[in-house]
Amino acid sequence: AQTVTQSQPEMSVQEAETVTLSCTYDTSESNYYLFWYKQPPSRQMILVIRQEAYKQQNATENRFSVNFQKAAKSFSLKISDSQLGDTAMYFCAFNAGNMLTFGGGTRLMVKP
Amino acid sequence: DADVTQTPRNRITKTGKRIMLECSQTKGHDRMYWYRQDPGLGLRLIYYSFDVKDINKGEISDGYSVSRQAQAKFSLSLESAIPNQTALYFCATSDLPMNGRETGELFFGEGSRLTVL
Repeated sequence: AQTVTQSQPEMSVQEAETVTLSCTYDTSESNYYLFWYKQPPSRQMILVIRQEAYKQQNATENRFSVNFQKAAKSFSLKISDSQLGDTAMYFCAFNAGNMLTFGGGTRLMVKP
Repeated sequence: DADVTQTPRNRITKTGKRIMLECSQTKGHDRMYWYRQDPGLGLRLIYYSFDVKDINKGEISDGYSVSRQAQAKFSLSLESAIPNQTALYFCATSDLPMNGRETGELFFGEGSRLTVL
C-alpha cells in the first residue's frame, strides 16, 4: 500500500516571501504521478501542480514549483512570491494506478 | 454551473438516521469516487466506480454504501449514521487513461459537510 506523509501540519510565511511544503511517500511502484492540491476556505479542491515520476525535470506552474527526488521519495512544493490568496490547506497526493492517496495536509497562512 | 455537483452542501442529522449524499457530473467521465476528509488525515477513499456496473470498496468503506445510477450519477449512503461519520465528503471524477497511461488527476465537487449529532 502507498502512504503519503506531510510532516508540517501548519506553516506561515510573510507575503512576497518563499515557502516550501514537504511531502514524502512510500511505494514500490516505478511509474506514478504526484500532485499538489490546494483547498482554500471555500473548501474547493484545486489542482496546483502535477509531476510524472518518469520525468526527471521538475514541474513548474507560474509561482509554484516542485523539487522531486525520486530516490528519496520526496516531493516538496515551493511557492515563490507568496500572496494572501495562497492561504489554504495544501495536500500532497500520489497515484500509481486507479486512485489518489492523500497526505494529511499542511495549513499555510500567508501574513500581510 | 459546476462540472461536479454535490447535494446537499451541508447537512445536520441525528444518530441512526439514513443519509444519502448525491453526486452528478457533466464532464462525461467514466470514473467516480467518494472521499472523506477529516482534520489531520487528509482525504480517504470510501468507494470508487469505473463504470455503471463496477463498484469497488476503498480504504474506509465500513458503514457506507454506494449506488451508480448512471454514468453521471454516483450516490453515497449512510444507512444508520453515527457521530464519527461527521466529516466533509467529496465526490470526484477522472477520465480514462490517456495513451495507455493514467494521468491521475481528479476533478472534485464542492464537498458535502455532514454533521451527525
